[in-house]
Amino acid sequence: GAVVSQHPSWVICKSGTSVKIECRSLDFQATTMFWYRQFPKQSLMLMATSNEGSKATYEQGVEKDKFLINHASLTLSTLTVTSAHPEDSSFYICSGSRGGVLTNEKLFFGSGTQLSVL
Amino acid sequence: QKEVEQDPGPLSVPEGAIVSLNCTYSNSAFQYFMWYRQYSRKGPELLMYTYSSGNKEDGRFTAQVDKSSKYISLFIRDSQPSDSATYLCAMSGAGNAGNMLTFGGGTRLMVKP
Repeated sequence: GAVVSQHPSWVICKSGTSVKIECRSLDFQATTMFWYRQFPKQSLMLMATSNEGSKATYEQGVEKDKFLINHASLTLSTLTVTSAHPEDSSFYICSGSRGGVLTNEKLFFGSGTQLSVL
Repeated sequence: QKEVEQDPGPLSVPEGAIVSLNCTYSNSAFQYFMWYRQYSRKGPELLMYTYSSGNKEDGRFTAQVDKSSKYISLFIRDSQPSDSATYLCAMSGAGNAGNMLTFGGGTRLMVKP
Protein backbone atom coordinates (compact mmCIF):
# COMPACT_ATOMS: atom_id res chain seq x y z
CA GLY A 1 0.00 0.00 0.00
CA ALA A 2 0.91 3.63 -0.25
CA VAL A 3 3.27 5.05 2.33
CA VAL A 4 3.18 8.37 4.09
CA SER A 5 6.33 9.19 6.01
CA GLN A 6 5.93 11.58 8.93
CA HIS A 7 8.79 13.17 10.89
CA PRO A 8 9.69 13.64 13.61
CA SER A 9 7.93 10.88 15.51
CA TRP A 10 8.25 12.82 18.73
CA VAL A 11 9.46 16.24 19.73
CA ILE A 12 9.88 18.09 23.00
CA CYS A 13 10.14 21.85 22.89
CA LYS A 14 10.06 24.85 25.16
CA SER A 15 7.00 27.05 25.38
CA GLY A 16 7.14 29.84 22.83
CA THR A 17 9.18 28.02 20.24
CA SER A 18 7.97 26.78 16.85
CA VAL A 19 7.94 23.19 15.71
CA LYS A 20 7.71 21.89 12.14
CA ILE A 21 6.26 18.49 11.28
CA GLU A 22 6.81 17.01 7.83
CA CYS A 23 4.75 14.51 5.90
CA ARG A 24 5.96 12.98 2.69
CA SER A 25 4.08 10.66 0.37
CA LEU A 26 6.77 8.24 -0.73
CA ASP A 27 5.20 6.35 -3.60
CA PHE A 28 2.25 8.42 -4.71
CA GLN A 29 1.34 12.02 -5.34
CA ALA A 30 -0.81 13.37 -2.56
CA THR A 31 -2.99 16.03 -4.09
CA THR A 32 -4.70 16.49 -0.76
CA MET A 33 -3.21 16.28 2.71
CA PHE A 34 -5.22 16.19 5.92
CA TRP A 35 -3.85 17.12 9.33
CA TYR A 36 -5.38 15.68 12.48
CA ARG A 37 -4.82 16.12 16.17
CA GLN A 38 -5.47 13.39 18.67
CA PHE A 39 -5.60 13.78 22.44
CA PRO A 40 -5.06 10.75 24.71
CA LYS A 41 -7.84 8.18 24.43
CA GLN A 42 -9.73 10.35 21.98
CA SER A 43 -10.32 10.07 18.29
CA LEU A 44 -8.76 12.00 15.47
CA MET A 45 -9.96 15.55 15.08
CA LEU A 46 -9.48 17.09 11.67
CA MET A 47 -7.56 20.34 11.87
CA ALA A 48 -7.16 21.34 8.26
CA THR A 49 -7.21 20.21 4.67
CA SER A 50 -4.61 21.32 2.16
CA ASN A 51 -4.49 20.93 -1.57
CA GLU A 52 -1.18 21.20 -3.37
CA GLY A 53 -0.47 24.79 -4.32
CA SER A 54 -3.47 26.22 -2.47
CA LYS A 55 -4.08 27.70 0.94
CA ALA A 56 -5.21 25.25 3.56
CA THR A 57 -8.81 25.10 4.74
CA TYR A 58 -9.03 25.07 8.50
CA GLU A 59 -11.74 23.52 10.62
CA GLN A 60 -13.73 25.68 12.95
CA GLY A 61 -11.81 26.55 16.08
CA VAL A 62 -8.37 25.88 14.62
CA GLU A 63 -6.17 28.98 14.52
CA LYS A 64 -4.66 29.27 11.06
CA ASP A 65 -1.97 31.68 12.27
CA LYS A 66 -0.87 29.23 14.91
CA PHE A 67 -0.94 26.07 12.81
CA LEU A 68 0.76 26.96 9.55
CA ILE A 69 0.29 24.41 6.78
CA ASN A 70 2.32 24.36 3.61
CA HIS A 71 1.66 21.97 0.75
CA ALA A 72 4.09 23.22 -1.83
CA SER A 73 4.53 19.96 -3.71
CA LEU A 74 2.58 16.79 -4.42
CA THR A 75 4.80 14.80 -2.09
CA LEU A 76 5.40 17.12 0.85
CA SER A 77 3.20 18.89 3.35
CA THR A 78 4.35 20.57 6.54
CA LEU A 79 2.58 21.68 9.70
CA THR A 80 4.31 24.32 11.79
CA VAL A 81 3.07 24.91 15.31
CA THR A 82 4.08 28.49 16.02
CA SER A 83 4.73 29.82 19.51
CA ALA A 84 3.83 26.47 20.99
CA HIS A 85 2.26 26.31 24.43
CA PRO A 86 1.66 23.34 26.76
CA GLU A 87 -1.96 23.09 25.62
CA ASP A 88 -0.68 22.35 22.10
CA SER A 89 0.86 19.12 23.38
CA SER A 90 -0.85 16.39 21.42
CA PHE A 91 -0.40 13.66 18.83
CA TYR A 92 -0.47 15.09 15.31
CA ILE A 93 -1.18 12.85 12.34
CA CYS A 94 -1.20 13.59 8.63
CA SER A 95 -2.87 11.64 5.88
CA GLY A 96 -2.56 11.86 2.16
CA SER A 97 -4.99 11.24 -0.65
CA ARG A 98 -3.99 10.29 -4.17
CA GLY A 99 -6.70 12.41 -5.72
CA GLY A 100 -8.51 11.31 -8.84
CA VAL A 101 -11.92 9.75 -8.27
CA LEU A 102 -12.64 10.98 -4.77
CA THR A 103 -15.37 8.51 -4.01
CA ASN A 104 -12.97 5.60 -4.13
CA GLU A 105 -10.14 7.14 -2.24
CA LYS A 106 -8.67 5.63 0.85
CA LEU A 107 -6.53 7.82 2.98
CA PHE A 108 -3.01 6.80 3.92
CA PHE A 109 -1.84 7.93 7.32
CA GLY A 110 1.53 8.95 8.60
CA SER A 111 2.86 7.39 11.79
CA GLY A 112 2.14 10.48 13.85
CA THR A 113 4.17 13.01 15.82
CA GLN A 114 3.92 13.31 19.58
CA LEU A 115 4.49 16.94 20.55
CA SER A 116 5.26 17.79 24.15
CA VAL A 117 5.57 21.46 25.02
CA LEU A 118 7.25 22.20 28.34
CA GLN B 1 -25.04 14.12 19.57
CA LYS B 2 -21.92 13.05 17.72
CA GLU B 3 -22.22 12.08 14.08
CA VAL B 4 -20.50 8.77 14.75
CA GLU B 5 -20.83 6.95 18.05
CA GLN B 6 -18.49 4.21 19.19
CA ASP B 7 -18.19 2.56 22.58
CA PRO B 8 -14.75 3.47 23.94
CA GLY B 9 -14.31 0.21 25.84
CA PRO B 10 -11.96 -1.14 26.90
CA LEU B 11 -13.12 -4.48 25.61
CA SER B 12 -11.19 -7.37 27.11
CA VAL B 13 -11.43 -10.84 25.58
CA PRO B 14 -9.47 -14.08 25.84
CA GLU B 15 -7.28 -15.19 22.98
CA GLY B 16 -9.26 -17.03 20.33
CA ALA B 17 -12.54 -15.24 21.03
CA ILE B 18 -14.70 -13.64 18.40
CA VAL B 19 -14.69 -9.88 18.81
CA SER B 20 -17.53 -7.63 17.72
CA LEU B 21 -16.93 -3.90 17.35
CA ASN B 22 -19.68 -1.51 16.38
CA CYS B 23 -20.47 2.03 15.37
CA THR B 24 -23.68 3.89 14.86
CA TYR B 25 -24.05 7.05 12.84
CA SER B 26 -26.64 9.69 12.13
CA ASN B 27 -25.69 11.10 8.71
CA SER B 28 -27.53 9.22 5.99
CA ALA B 29 -25.17 10.73 3.40
CA PHE B 30 -22.34 8.46 4.46
CA GLN B 31 -21.56 6.01 1.69
CA TYR B 32 -18.10 4.70 2.49
CA PHE B 33 -17.23 2.92 5.68
CA MET B 34 -13.82 2.06 6.98
CA TRP B 35 -12.24 0.40 9.96
CA TYR B 36 -8.80 1.44 11.12
CA ARG B 37 -6.54 -0.17 13.69
CA GLN B 38 -4.32 2.11 15.71
CA TYR B 39 -1.57 0.96 18.00
CA SER B 40 -0.50 3.29 20.77
CA ARG B 41 1.28 6.38 19.46
CA LYS B 42 1.09 5.19 15.85
CA GLY B 43 -0.91 6.33 12.86
CA PRO B 44 -4.14 4.50 11.95
CA GLU B 45 -3.83 1.52 9.63
CA LEU B 46 -6.67 0.75 7.24
CA LEU B 47 -8.19 -2.69 7.90
CA MET B 48 -11.43 -2.76 5.95
CA TYR B 49 -13.09 -0.53 3.40
CA THR B 50 -16.67 -1.04 2.27
CA TYR B 51 -19.14 0.81 0.11
CA SER B 52 -22.82 1.01 1.00
CA SER B 53 -24.55 -1.91 2.71
CA GLY B 54 -23.37 -5.50 2.83
CA ASN B 55 -20.58 -7.67 4.14
CA LYS B 56 -16.92 -7.86 3.31
CA GLU B 57 -14.48 -10.47 4.53
CA ASP B 58 -10.69 -10.35 4.63
CA GLY B 59 -8.96 -13.12 6.49
CA ARG B 60 -10.03 -13.02 10.13
CA PHE B 61 -11.86 -9.74 9.67
CA THR B 62 -15.45 -9.23 8.51
CA ALA B 63 -17.06 -5.84 8.08
CA GLN B 64 -20.81 -5.39 7.96
CA VAL B 65 -22.76 -2.32 6.99
CA ASP B 66 -26.47 -1.88 7.58
CA LYS B 67 -27.38 1.49 6.15
CA SER B 68 -31.05 1.11 7.02
CA SER B 69 -30.10 0.95 10.69
CA LYS B 70 -27.09 3.26 10.35
CA TYR B 71 -24.99 0.60 12.02
CA ILE B 72 -21.66 -0.89 11.09
CA SER B 73 -19.71 -3.74 12.63
CA LEU B 74 -16.27 -5.28 12.53
CA PHE B 75 -15.86 -8.90 13.55
CA ILE B 76 -12.50 -10.40 14.39
CA ARG B 77 -12.31 -14.19 14.48
CA ASP B 78 -9.71 -16.14 16.42
CA SER B 79 -8.50 -12.98 18.11
CA GLN B 80 -4.81 -12.74 18.93
CA PRO B 81 -2.91 -10.70 21.51
CA SER B 82 -1.43 -8.79 18.57
CA ASP B 83 -4.95 -7.57 17.79
CA SER B 84 -4.83 -5.50 20.99
CA ALA B 85 -5.18 -1.94 19.77
CA THR B 86 -7.71 0.82 19.36
CA TYR B 87 -10.16 0.30 16.51
CA LEU B 88 -11.58 3.36 14.82
CA CYS B 89 -14.55 3.35 12.52
CA ALA B 90 -14.63 6.09 9.91
CA MET B 91 -17.04 7.06 7.20
CA SER B 92 -17.41 9.50 4.38
CA GLY B 93 -19.90 10.75 1.88
CA ALA B 94 -19.82 10.66 -1.90
CA GLY B 95 -18.49 13.09 -4.47
CA ASN B 96 -16.30 15.86 -3.20
CA ALA B 97 -17.01 14.79 0.34
CA GLY B 98 -15.44 11.41 -0.32
CA ASN B 99 -12.14 12.37 1.19
CA MET B 100 -13.55 13.88 4.37
CA LEU B 101 -13.56 11.21 7.01
CA THR B 102 -15.64 11.38 10.14
CA PHE B 103 -14.19 9.16 12.84
CA GLY B 104 -15.75 7.38 15.74
CA GLY B 105 -14.07 7.81 19.11
CA GLY B 106 -12.38 4.41 18.91
CA THR B 107 -12.77 1.21 20.92
CA ARG B 108 -9.81 -0.08 22.85
CA LEU B 109 -9.49 -3.84 22.52
CA MET B 110 -7.36 -6.03 24.75
CA VAL B 111 -6.86 -9.68 23.84
CA LYS B 112 -5.42 -11.62 26.72
CA PRO B 113 -3.29 -14.73 26.14
